[in-house]
Amino acid sequence: TQLLEQSPQFLSIQEGENLTVYCNSSSVFSSLQWYRQEPGEGPVLLVTVVTGGEVKKLKRLTFQFGDARKDSSLHITAAQTGDTGLYLCAGGGTGANNLFFGTGTRLTVIP
Amino acid sequence: GAVVSQHPSRVICKSGTSVKIECRSLDFQATTMFWYRQFPKQSLMLMATSNEGSKATYEQGVEKDKFLINHASLTLSTLTVTSAHPEDSSFYICSARTGGGWGAYEQYFGPGTRLTVT
Repeated sequence: TQLLEQSPQFLSIQEGENLTVYCNSSSVFSSLQWYRQEPGEGPVLLVTVVTGGEVKKLKRLTFQFGDARKDSSLHITAAQTGDTGLYLCAGGGTGANNLFFGTGTRLTVIP
Repeated sequence: GAVVSQHPSRVICKSGTSVKIECRSLDFQATTMFWYRQFPKQSLMLMATSNEGSKATYEQGVEKDKFLINHASLTLSTLTVTSAHPEDSSFYICSARTGGGWGAYEQYFGPGTRLTVT
């Protein structure tokens, strides 16, 4: 099993603040996805990164894949209440048929 | 694009009965679908990998005779919880895999099915 540890596990911040969520592993992944899940719903894909060192930006969200493809980070600028949710990273191993999910980070943005 | 639906969204059943959950990829063909289980405030736990036209591959600790998976077509996979018990109550989520370049692939998730066994 390829373990992905996310930190922090829980995060509660004020609207307008910045935050970073980390996803770390000792394993190398061929790709890494970030998802956001709201209560009672399935996860929604936010981004896929495949190249070591890759940085992708989606509006206020910035995703980075580590050079060694073992870790990733998600940075949110000027958080909004709509960003509240469970953030999950998921790694795809080389030749692997499935994704390995991280432990999750539950973000609450307070108005 | 890449929409996955699940039915039903919620189901309540009595202990000892069986429940079938459907997972459909609406706008793409998925040779591989996955079934996950999620407990409150926890991450997703992979139960099994469903391959069209072949037997599902179950993760360690998942009873294949209890959680029957059928992937009858490229757009439909079903999970049947047989002889359900209260401990089977959970949020079940399916996903369908799309192909990708450079060895990458993406999974798109259904909205989930909340199963409550009384």
